[in-house]
Amino acid sequence: GESVGLHLPTLSVQEGDNSIINCAYSNSASDYFIWYKQESGKGPQFIIDIRSNMDKRQGQRVTVLLNKTVKHLSLQIAATQPGDSAVYFCAEIIYNQGGKLIFGQGTELSVKP
Amino acid sequence: DAGVIQSPRHEVTEMGQEVTLRCKPISGHNSLFWYRQTMMRGLELLIYFNNNVPIDDSGMPEDRFSAKMPNASFSTLKIQPSEPRDSAVYFCATSGQSNQPQHFGDGTRLSIL
Repeated sequence: GESVGLHLPTLSVQEGDNSIINCAYSNSASDYFIWYKQESGKGPQFIIDIRSNMDKRQGQRVTVLLNKTVKHLSLQIAATQPGDSAVYFCAEIIYNQGGKLIFGQGTELSVKP
Repeated sequence: DAGVIQSPRHEVTEMGQEVTLRCKPISGHNSLFWYRQTMMRGLELLIYFNNNVPIDDSGMPEDRFSAKMPNASFSTLKIQPSEPRDSAVYFCATSGQSNQPQHFGDGTRLSIL
């Protein structure tokens, strides 16, 4: 069946270090992937996305890697800051399902000063 | 630029009462999604609309739940009668097209006593 899951429920890193958050997905028909950041008391906030015809995309301090062979997605955060502490979700979309997002479980990132 | 606006931010009511959650999408966005988030089940899609028309309501838990989108700038999610197990954070999200990221509101935290 369709599912998106995260390998690690919690991740603790030192300020300034790089963070890597991983995500596995099971539906090879997925067209589009998004990473969201959710801070306490707020809704998920869009970070970066990648389409299935790409394997890497970079933003400001963030990079998303897509490996379709093993159905794996990762989010890399460079020089992690205390403000990066949040829960991170990966999500996938299959276009012909009307843009319905399937969310993973979420990984809590904790940044130690 | 106003994002997705949800009201109320918090709602506490007794079981059996009717609850109405409201959402104002980002102007120009054609798709609107209602989600429920709990610790146990994570983010669950309840229903979504394209161009004000309900497309998939398979996530709506029971007949006690109903959603409407009378026009492009307003949607409601109603629970009648409410039960304690409905306690959760309810999010509304909107997107321009299925191949674009969804933008979330800050949610309504619902507590049913």
